Amino acid sequence: AQSVTQPDIHITVSEGASLELRCNYSYGATPYLFWYVQSPGQGLQLLLKYFSGDTLVQGIKGFEAEFKRSQSSFNLRKPSVHWSDAAEYFCAVGDQTGANNLFFGTGTRLTVIP
Amino acid sequence: GAVVSQHPSWVICKSGTSVKIECRSLDFQATTMFWYRQFPKQSLMLMATSNEGSKATYEQGVEKDKFLINHASLTLSTLTVTSAHPEDSSFYICSARPRDEQFFGPGTRLTVL
Repeated sequence: AQSVTQPDIHITVSEGASLELRCNYSYGATPYLFWYVQSPGQGLQLLLKYFSGDTLVQGIKGFEAEFKRSQSSFNLRKPSVHWSDAAEYFCAVGDQTGANNLFFGTGTRLTVIP
Repeated sequence: GAVVSQHPSWVICKSGTSVKIECRSLDFQATTMFWYRQFPKQSLMLMATSNEGSKATYEQGVEKDKFLINHASLTLSTLTVTSAHPEDSSFYICSARPRDEQFFGPGTRLTVL
């Protein structure tokens, strides 16, 4: 069965510090992996996605993620966090291009302190 | 581009009444829209897939007679929660798919008293 685990419910980091949000997945076929960010009052915005090829993918807002098949992980990273990065982050796994049947993790809330 | 809106952003209703939530794609046409439900501290759960001009496809465990979906045009899908009860209180999110990516609306918070 498909599932996505985000083990960290809430993370607090200082502005300028590095960030890593964890995501582990279980999927029966080739996984198509996504990271979304949700700010209050706004819809989920796609940060980046992995379909195939280079396992280190670059996204918007300075985020990157690395696909590790052996660990069934797709962790999100940012070298230096900005206060505007405070939001809820969701990892998702889907089929084909991700246009259907997205399975979401429970999310990680990021707090950034000055 | 690729903006999806939802209306209302929040709604409070009495138990037993029906509530309609609209999902619009503002700058693109979408033959397919999706409806999700999100409980506090839980992930988004797909409720149904809405296809323009045809009946919606509901996920297992979702009551199609309770959650009525209409996708009458390429830019509008509606979700009607019929005879709402307190356990229907939740955050409802829609998305629209123009091609190979889903674009999400800001969500609608429903509170049933």
